[in-house]
This record gives sequence, structure tokens and C-alpha cells, in this order.
Amino acid sequence: ETGVTQTPRHLVMGMTNKKSLKCEQHLGHNAMYWYKQSAKKPLELMFVYNFKEQTENNSVPSRFSPECPNSSHLFLHLHTLQPEDSALYLCASSQGAGTGEETQYFGPGTRLLVL
Amino acid sequence: AQSVAQPEDQVNVAEGNPLTVKCTYSVSGNPYLFWYVQYPNRGLQFLLKYITGDNLVKGSYGFEAEFNKSQTSFHLKKPSALVSDSALYFCAVRDWADTGRRALTFGSGTRLQVQP
Repeated sequence: ETGVTQTPRHLVMGMTNKKSLKCEQHLGHNAMYWYKQSAKKPLELMFVYNFKEQTENNSVPSRFSPECPNSSHLFLHLHTLQPEDSALYLCASSQGAGTGEETQYFGPGTRLLVL
Repeated sequence: AQSVAQPEDQVNVAEGNPLTVKCTYSVSGNPYLFWYVQYPNRGLQFLLKYITGDNLVKGSYGFEAEFNKSQTSFHLKKPSALVSDSALYFCAVRDWADTGRRALTFGSGTRLQVQP
């Protein structure tokens, strides 16, 4: 609907597993974002990419590893996660020069459960 | 630093009545302000934003918001609520002065419940 798709929509993984989340935007935007949404907490920015370059890392643990091969695709590689990492992971994209007024458009999210 | 507060966890309103969802912000410079809505099992959907100019901003689905600089507020309003408006609403802010950063700071969200 918004032009930002995420797969898978649901993921259950053990603490020793390795998995990846995928985001694709069909809007021609140049910036992409990962957010974490936990119950009872505000959305937390994780990473920002602009033209494939990481521009912000919000002190995210190294068990989360982002990858942005081009402006349309964004991945979040997961390994040795903890149960407290269970959350809704949202991808977003925007178009602009980074002056602040651009709108971010969100995907539907991946609901992650770590056992 | 930038921050945003949504003082109400939940707002209840009867269908057909006006609704208000409150948001206050704190920035060093001037704000860019956004409202998003989230339906169950969905991502955030953009409603409206204030950048500059007219303090009353009109957005999607009949929603509007009023920017009040003296009260540092950006409350979301709708003249007549619908049951289908029931959802989680997020206010977000970005500081003009925070150049180079694209990140939005979100409030904790307000759940709107519209009763038939």
C-alpha cells in the first residue's frame, strides 16, 4: 500500500539462529531506515542509510547487522539474538536532501519472536 | 536534543463527536512535526505534517492538526469521529537545527477508541 514491502511478516527464531529481514521500496527514494517497535515503548531508530551509505547507527548491538546493497533494498541480518529483541521491526524510506521536512513511508513490519 | 510527549495513553470518544489527540514537543530550534496512524498488524501510515506557514494543517481522512508555537503543541483533531478511526496514533518531531540527521523522534503513542 505505501510502496514499502517487508518480508517475512512473521519470524520465530531461536537464540542461536541466523536470519535476515528484507525491505524493498518501490518509491524511488534515496534514504532507508530500520526502526524497532516494542510493546509499551516509543519507536526506536536503529539505522539510517542514504544512497546506500550508513549515516546513523543508534548504538545498536552488533547482533543486528544492516546491509544496503542499493537504494531500493535494505536488510537486517540477525544472529544470536536475545528474547528481549522480540519486537516489530519496521522499515521506512524517504526522499530528500536530508533537510528534515521529508516524509518517511513505512512498511508493514516484521513481527519477530526470539525463543 | 528533540523530544515529543503524548500525555494520554488512550482517548475514548463516541462516534460522531469531535476528537483530539494531544502532542507536545521540545526542540532546540524550530520543529518539523508529523502525525502517523497505526492499525493492528500494520506499519505506520502518514497522516499529515507541519513544516512552515499556516498553523492549521489538513491531512488524510479528515484529520487536521494545529501547530501552536507558544504552547509547543501539535494536537491532532477531527470534527466527527468514525469507528474506523480506532487505532494507535503517533506524533513525531524533527528539529530544524539538527542538520544532517534524518531521524524522527516519536512519542509513545495514543490509542484512540471510538465507540459506536
